[in-house]
Amino acid sequence: QKEVEQNSGPLSVPEGAIASLNCTYSDRVSQSFFWYRQYSGKSPELIMSIYSNGDKEDGRFTAQLNKASQYVSLLIRDSQPSDSATYLCAVADSGGYQKVTFGIGTKLQVIP
Amino acid sequence: GAVVSQHPSWVICKSGTSVKIECRSLDFQATTMFWYRQFPKQSLMLMATSNEGSKATYEQGVEKDKFLINHASLTLSTLTVTSAHPEDSSFYICSGTGTVDNEQFFGPGTRLTVL
Repeated sequence: QKEVEQNSGPLSVPEGAIASLNCTYSDRVSQSFFWYRQYSGKSPELIMSIYSNGDKEDGRFTAQLNKASQYVSLLIRDSQPSDSATYLCAVADSGGYQKVTFGIGTKLQVIP
Repeated sequence: GAVVSQHPSWVICKSGTSVKIECRSLDFQATTMFWYRQFPKQSLMLMATSNEGSKATYEQGVEKDKFLINHASLTLSTLTVTSAHPEDSSFYICSGTGTVDNEQFFGPGTRLTVL
């Protein structure tokens, strides 16, 4: 059973701070990793994808991947109240068919 | 990103009736579409994977005769919940992939309430 683990939170950070969201996964041969944002009552929205070890930056978001440690993280700089949402970590299954396994999601609360 | 639409966005039906949900990829060809279900305060649960022109692959525990999936074209997949019961009430979300590297793009979801 492939697993993706996240702390469900809530993670509370003050406005303007850096929010750090973490995720570990069990499938050692996974190659593709994703972060989705889901607002309450809405469907997930893709924020970042990362495939290689290291950092990938897109605006205020930075995804970090360490395949040796089976760890992927998302940093949100200058957090805004509009960033308050649940952040889902997703890992592509190595078995094909483009399936991904989602974590339970971390609820982020940005306090004004 | 790529755009996926779903219709209807919400539906209320009586127990025992069937409900069809459509999922369309608007600006890309979705070689694979996925159907998820999400109960309140829970994560996404994959129900099935469908590839255009072939039978859907259902996850363990999902009744294929109850949740009928058709992926007739590269832009359209449908989910029919047959003989719906109150326990089927949930948020159903489709996603499509077909661009690069397994990125899935989600539709806005359909909220089903079975009375």
